[in-house]
Amino acid sequence: DTGVSQDPRHKITKRGQNVTFRCDPISEHNRLYWYRQTLGQGPEFLTYFQNEAQLEKSRLLSDRFSAERPKGSFSTLEIQRTEQGDSAMYLCASSDRLGHHNEQFFGPGTRLTVL
Amino acid sequence: GENVEQHPSTLSVQEGDSAVIKCTYSDSASNYFPWYKQELGKRPQLIIDIRSNVGEKKDQRIAVTLNKTAKHFSLHITETQPEDSAVYFCAASRIPGGGADGLTFGKGTHLIIQP
Repeated sequence: DTGVSQDPRHKITKRGQNVTFRCDPISEHNRLYWYRQTLGQGPEFLTYFQNEAQLEKSRLLSDRFSAERPKGSFSTLEIQRTEQGDSAMYLCASSDRLGHHNEQFFGPGTRLTVL
Repeated sequence: GENVEQHPSTLSVQEGDSAVIKCTYSDSASNYFPWYKQELGKRPQLIIDIRSNVGEKKDQRIAVTLNKTAKHFSLHITETQPEDSAVYFCAASRIPGGGADGLTFGKGTHLIIQP
């Protein structure tokens, strides 16, 4: 599968625990995005990387949220001290700046449930 | 920041009829407007997009129109089929593909095709 992949697909955790999600973008896509989607809503933009540089992080929901893309390939999103309100689908997307359409391709998402 | 409003939230049409979904945006600097289709439990997938330098774009049964003066854009699906049933999201950004602003999504329209 050459599309965007995310791991794990589902995560159940207890309130207060830390969780980390991984996203593998389409090979050679230099742009990577993280979004959060709650039930009945559209995806909400969280943060953006161009190669390894995080160019926008002010939309991260709180200082408990952080993201990295150390080598400009895969990315991780970490949530510390999880709260029940963090329960949502976390989507990753990638795009190619040089691509014709600049389309963002989405991964299948990681569904987080905080008990 | 950008705000995207989408209507209606639910749309039920008879198979073979046309469906129209409308969105408005607030940031006059936005110039890229994609539409995504999301089936239940699946990832969002781009179905069509339009940039601000054109007023209309068609792809088989799907068309999008853009009125920059009024800051609204619409999705038109003709000859609807059962497989068109899904949630449709409009989005907007200042840079084609999203850039550091990401995409701002509407809340979605649940399209139901009645047999």
